[in-house]
Amino acid sequence: DAGVIQSPRHEVTEMGQEVTLRCKPISGHNSLFWYRQTMMRGLELLIYFNNNVPIDDSGMPEDRFSAKMPNASFSTLKIQPSEPRDSAVYFCASGLTTDTQYFGPGTRLTVL
Amino acid sequence: QKEVEQNSGPLSVPEGAIASLNCTYSDRGSQSFFWYRQYSGKSPELIMSIYSNGDKEDGRFTAQLNKASQYVSLLIRDSQPSDSATYLCAVARAGGADGLTFGKGTHLIIQP
Repeated sequence: DAGVIQSPRHEVTEMGQEVTLRCKPISGHNSLFWYRQTMMRGLELLIYFNNNVPIDDSGMPEDRFSAKMPNASFSTLKIQPSEPRDSAVYFCASGLTTDTQYFGPGTRLTVL
Repeated sequence: QKEVEQNSGPLSVPEGAIASLNCTYSDRGSQSFFWYRQYSGKSPELIMSIYSNGDKEDGRFTAQLNKASQYVSLLIRDSQPSDSATYLCAVARAGGADGLTFGKGTHLIIQP
C-alpha cells in the first residue's frame, strides 16, 4: 500500500497567490481529513469528509480556505489569496472509520 | 471548546528506563483516545489506541485510560534512543464525527 500521498511536498509562494494542495487517500478508506500544524497552535483539524461529503468544516479558518473531494481518490485544499500567517505544514489523513487516521507526509507551505 | 492538554517538555529519560507521558482532556463526550508519535520533520504515526477504562499493552507501550478523571497516559518501557520524538495525544467522540482533537505534544528525549 502506498499510503496517503500529498503533493507538493514543499510550496513557497508570495502573499496574494492562490495555493492548491492535493491529497490521494489510501484506497478503500472512506474518511479524509485535512489538518494544519504550526508551532503555536499545534495540529488542528480544518475539514473532514466522509464518503466524499464534507461533514465538518468548522476548523477552516477563513473563507479564503476551501476544500473539495470530487471522488474517493482525490481531494484538494485551496487557499486564495494566501497570507504569510497561512505558513504551516498541511497534513492530509485518511481512515476506514472516522477514528482511525493515517497521515500523509505533509505539505510545507511558506507564504512570503 | 474541546481541549487536550499535554506537558510540552522536554521530558528527559535515561535509556532503559520507563517514560511516562500524560494527557488530560476536557470533553466528557470523548470515547476514543490515541497516541501518535511524530519525529522531527515527519508526519504523525499512530502507535496506540484505547477505548475502555484501564490498561492496554502493545509491546513496550502501555496506554492507560481513566474516563472519570479525563486522563490518558502512555508508558514506554525499556526506552530506546529511537523513542526520542514528540508524542501527541488525540481524542474523538464515538464515531469520530468531530474528527480528532490533538494536544500540542510532549517532546521526549531518551538519553543514551
